[in-house]
Amino acid sequence: SQTIHQWPATLVQPVGSPLSLECTVEGTSNPNLYWYRQAAGRGLQLLFYSVGIGQISSEVPQNLSASRPQDRQFILSSKKLLLSDSGFYLCAWSHLGARANEQYFGPGTRLTVT
Amino acid sequence: RKEVEQDPGPFNVPEGATVAFNCTYSNSASQSFFWYRQDCRKEPKLLMSVYSSGNEDGRFTAQLNRASQYISLLIRDSKLSDSATYLCVARVNNNAGNMLTFGGGTRLMVKP
Repeated sequence: SQTIHQWPATLVQPVGSPLSLECTVEGTSNPNLYWYRQAAGRGLQLLFYSVGIGQISSEVPQNLSASRPQDRQFILSSKKLLLSDSGFYLCAWSHLGARANEQYFGPGTRLTVT
Repeated sequence: RKEVEQDPGPFNVPEGATVAFNCTYSNSASQSFFWYRQDCRKEPKLLMSVYSSGNEDGRFTAQLNRASQYISLLIRDSKLSDSATYLCVARVNNNAGNMLTFGGGTRLMVKP
């Protein structure tokens, strides 16, 4: 069966510090991968998606970036965090192509920028 | 206008009650629909897909009305454990093959 991991689970970082969140998927090959952010009391906002190694599409302009160095690894980064970057960051995967329907989420990283 | 709109609630219902949530979507090109459940401070989890003919999974029934562009979720015999936020989701096929748009969620609180 497929599993998705994210770490760290929680993070408190000062404004201006760098960020690196990691997501890995097990039990599947060539997944679509996604990064979402959920601000307190708000809906999910898609930040990035990837259909393959090195292929990243951004949905929202911001000071965040994403990379996919391996098939089942997705990394979210920032060089300098802003207060507005606080939120619940969720990684998700789905099957590629015709089977790409439901998305499955990791446990998330709760980021507080102080 | 949001692409997927839901009443944020909260819906406060007693145990055993039947409760229904509606959701509307604005993109007529939406092809697939889902309901996810999100517990407090947890990740969303897929509850059920929504099929054109309507579908049922135990106490949960989902319906789709393409003409009016709305989706519904009916929960019968509510349990305390049903307390959560329910997210309505629409999918539009594009180059990425799987772009989901999430509603803001409807919060359900089931009371003893």
